[in-house]
Amino acid sequence: GAGVSQSPSNKVTEKGKDVELRCDPISGHTALYWYRQSLGQGLEFLIYFQGNSAPDKSGLPSDRFSAERTGGSVSTLTIQRTQQEDSAVYLCASSSGGVTGELFFGEGSRLTVL
Amino acid sequence: GENVEQHPSTLSVQEGDSAVIKCTYSDSASNYFPWYKQELGKRPQLIIDIRSNVGEKKDQRIAVTLNKTAKHFSLHITETQPEDSAVYFCAPRGDYKLSFGAGTTVTVRA
Repeated sequence: GAGVSQSPSNKVTEKGKDVELRCDPISGHTALYWYRQSLGQGLEFLIYFQGNSAPDKSGLPSDRFSAERTGGSVSTLTIQRTQQEDSAVYLCASSSGGVTGELFFGEGSRLTVL
Repeated sequence: GENVEQHPSTLSVQEGDSAVIKCTYSDSASNYFPWYKQELGKRPQLIIDIRSNVGEKKDQRIAVTLNKTAKHFSLHITETQPEDSAVYFCAPRGDYKLSFGAGTTVTVRA
């Protein structure tokens, strides 16, 4: 596609359930990022992929969070046993790589944990 | 890791006036300095960036200035218009990781 695509755009789940968020980056982009944005807040770094490898997972809030990327393309962010504090917009971004590569963001997945 | 601070956190300006947002960072290895704009309910988008070998860059009504010695860079918006109302984030970078500032909410009053 022309841009970064994320799904679902909205997800409402019950506390304790697992959720999967998907990101389709721009074709050919080697770098992929996940950020979390709570209401009215800034962008919290979660994880970075270069190809299929994640050299930096330091931003993942807890061991309930995991992410993978396959084929150097699609990435999935999984949150297990969701808690109310996980409610936020999860943004995915991709870039062509390199320090000066512009980040192209998806529209985000809004997660609400009841 | 990079410690990034933005000031002010909120800014209200009269339409037609100028707005300036300052970003300070801690990592002296940072060599790329972008600004992103996020309109309400939308995704962040790059509006201007500057490399470390340049002191200033201008694109129509927006400009970015860099002071590497003092480790800060600023976003300047002149002749502000209602469509400039948004949250602006700086994201100084020295490696793969973009650490975003907390954001500055700019409101342009008609």
